[in-house]
Amino acid sequence: GAGVSQSPSNKVTEKGKDVELRCDPISGHTALYWYRQSLGQGLEFLIYFQGNSAPDKSGLPSDRFSAERTGGSVSTLTIQRTQQEDSAVYLCASSLMSANYNEQFFGPGTRLTVL
Amino acid sequence: KQEVTQIPAALSVPEGENLVLNCSFTDSAIYNLQWFRQDPGKGLTSLLLIQSSQREQTSGRLNASLDKSSGRSTLYIAASQPGDSATYLCAVIANNDMRFGAGTRLTVKP
Repeated sequence: GAGVSQSPSNKVTEKGKDVELRCDPISGHTALYWYRQSLGQGLEFLIYFQGNSAPDKSGLPSDRFSAERTGGSVSTLTIQRTQQEDSAVYLCASSLMSANYNEQFFGPGTRLTVL
Repeated sequence: KQEVTQIPAALSVPEGENLVLNCSFTDSAIYNLQWFRQDPGKGLTSLLLIQSSQREQTSGRLNASLDKSSGRSTLYIAASQPGDSATYLCAVIANNDMRFGAGTRLTVKP
């Protein structure tokens, strides 16, 4: 596609429910990144994928968070047993090979509200 | 742990002024630094990417400089316009570990 897309754009859920957030990177981009932006907070790096592999998962806030990427393309971020503090905008970015050397291009984000 | 600071947190200027936004970081072992703008309720738009071996990059009215040894970058905006109003974020990247500053919220008044 022309850019990074994310779905849904907005998600409202009840505390304790599981949610899945989806990211479609730019076609041909091998690196994919997930971030969280909470109200009044800066951008928090969560996890990155090189192909289908996530070399470092230590940025995930808790074991309720997981992410996967299949076929070197689409990625899903899953939050189990959501809590109110999970409310944030979740942003996805991709880059051609690695953000070490290439620009990151961001999607519009998914705004998650946990009631 | 890398810490990124942006000063000022907010800036309001009249249209036509030249302005400088500042970004500082504590660990100079970076691969590159990237400047973004974020409009309210939107994702981030890439403005400029400076590799660690470079000292500056230019795009139109924007010029970004990098002094890696002192841990500083500046974003210079020439002849500011109301459409430049947004939050400007800098990010430093080291081995796929991205750290963002909290941003500078810029308002350009007509």
